[in-house]
Amino acid sequence: AQKVTQAQTEISVVEKEDVTLDCVYETRDTTYYLFWYKQPPSGELVFLIRRNSFDEQNEISGRYSWNFQKSTSSFNFTITASQVVDSAVYFCALSEGGSEKLVFGKGTKLTVNP
Amino acid sequence: GAGVSQTPSNKVTEKGKYVELRCDPISGHTALYWYRQSLGQGPEFLIYFQGTGAADDSGLPNDRFFAVRPEGSVSTLKIQRTERGDSAVYLCASSTTSGRTQYFGPGTRLTVL
Repeated sequence: AQKVTQAQTEISVVEKEDVTLDCVYETRDTTYYLFWYKQPPSGELVFLIRRNSFDEQNEISGRYSWNFQKSTSSFNFTITASQVVDSAVYFCALSEGGSEKLVFGKGTKLTVNP
Repeated sequence: GAGVSQTPSNKVTEKGKYVELRCDPISGHTALYWYRQSLGQGPEFLIYFQGTGAADDSGLPNDRFFAVRPEGSVSTLKIQRTERGDSAVYLCASSTTSGRTQYFGPGTRLTVL
């Protein structure tokens, strides 16, 4: 069965601090996809990134970076030099190769204080 | 371009009533998904359409829930005999046939009194 665990329920940082959001996943499939979504206070889920199981390269997009490690079944998300606008709930999600549905973690609420 | 739209944004109903929630996907997206998000939780999958047919309805909690997509575009999620436990935000998402990335709408907040 597929499962996503986001152990950090809430994180609070001060602006300009770096912060890492953890995501651990479980799947028996060799082909799968991992995602991160952002849900700001307005409520709409915003897609951030998708990785497939065959591509373990880390990715950087501006202040955001993602570390995918199959050996530890983790797909962690780091925000460098956090800003108040980064305050949101962040969800990690998984879909297995033979299924279209996303399985989400419970989310991590990030608060960036000025 | 226009994103996924959902109507209404808010729906308040009484226990036992019937409700319909509408989703209009991104133009050209053939896949459409419904999820339900309870307070403090991640979204939970309900049903997935590829074109007009429901390809996976394994997430529908019981037979009070039903969804249609008759022309392969707009979809309606129908809930009969609503219960207080149905209160949640209902999210719709769409994607292209070949893509894996789902783009979400703003959701419909359903409150059952």
